[in-house]
Amino acid sequence: QVQLVQSGSELMQPGASVKVSCKASGYTFTTYAMNWVRQAPGQGLEWMGWINTNTGNPTYAQDFTGRFVFSLDTSVSTAYLQISSLKAEDTAVYYCAREAVIAATRHNSYYYYMDVWGKGTTVTVSS
Amino acid sequence: DIQMTQSPSSLSASVGDRVTITCRASQSISNYLNWYQQKPGKAPKLLIHAAPSLQSGVPSRFSGSGSGTDFTLTISSLQPEDFATYYCQQSYSTPWTFGQGTKVEIK
Repeated sequence: QVQLVQSGSELMQPGASVKVSCKASGYTFTTYAMNWVRQAPGQGLEWMGWINTNTGNPTYAQDFTGRFVFSLDTSVSTAYLQISSLKAEDTAVYYCAREAVIAATRHNSYYYYMDVWGKGTTVTVSS
Repeated sequence: DIQMTQSPSSLSASVGDRVTITCRASQSISNYLNWYQQKPGKAPKLLIHAAPSLQSGVPSRFSGSGSGTDFTLTISSLQPEDFATYYCQQSYSTPWTFGQGTKVEIK
C-alpha cells in the first residue's frame, strides 16, 4: 500500500544539524511532489514548502529559508529535510506529505492536496 | 499570504450531534480548500479536497461546502472516533496555509 515512512525521533543540541528522512513506497516516487509540514508542541500545522521529485527543485515558505534544505535520493524513493544551526524553537514534529494533483474546472488550473502523510518525526532541541 | 481563520477554536458535542466548523479565507479562493482531521499523536488525515470532494474511504457523514471565502465542514452525526482536531487548508496560492484548528471534544 501507499505509505511514507519517516525516520525516528531525534534529540539534538543547539547549533547542531539534523536530517530527517521520508521513504515512499507503493507508488512511483517521481510522480508526486513532496511537502514538508511542521507542528510545534501544542500548535497547529505550518507548511514549510515542497520539493519537485522530478527535478529536485525545492520551494520554501518564507519562514523556512536559509537553515532548511529539502533534498531527494530518487534511487531509494526518499525525501530528506535537513535543518542546520538548530535552535530550541525548532523543536517540533516534522511531517512529510505527498501532494496529489487533479485538474480543476478552471482552465489550466489544478487542485492540490496532501493525501498521504508520514507519521511524523519528533525533533527536540535541548542542551 | 492568504490567512485562514477557523471558528470555533473548540467545541463540545455529544455522540450523534450534528457539528459544523467554519473556515474563512482572507481573500477569495474559489473552492481550493481542503479539510484534515488530526487525532492526538497522529498525523493529519485528508477528509475533503477541492471542497466538497470527499476523499476515498472517508465516511459519508463528513461533508464540505462553500466557495469564495466561506467554507464549512459538517459532521452529520458525530461518532466516538470523530473526536479530534480539524484543520482547513487553502491550495489557491502558495504558501499553502492552514487554519488554526478546531478541537472537537466530548461533552
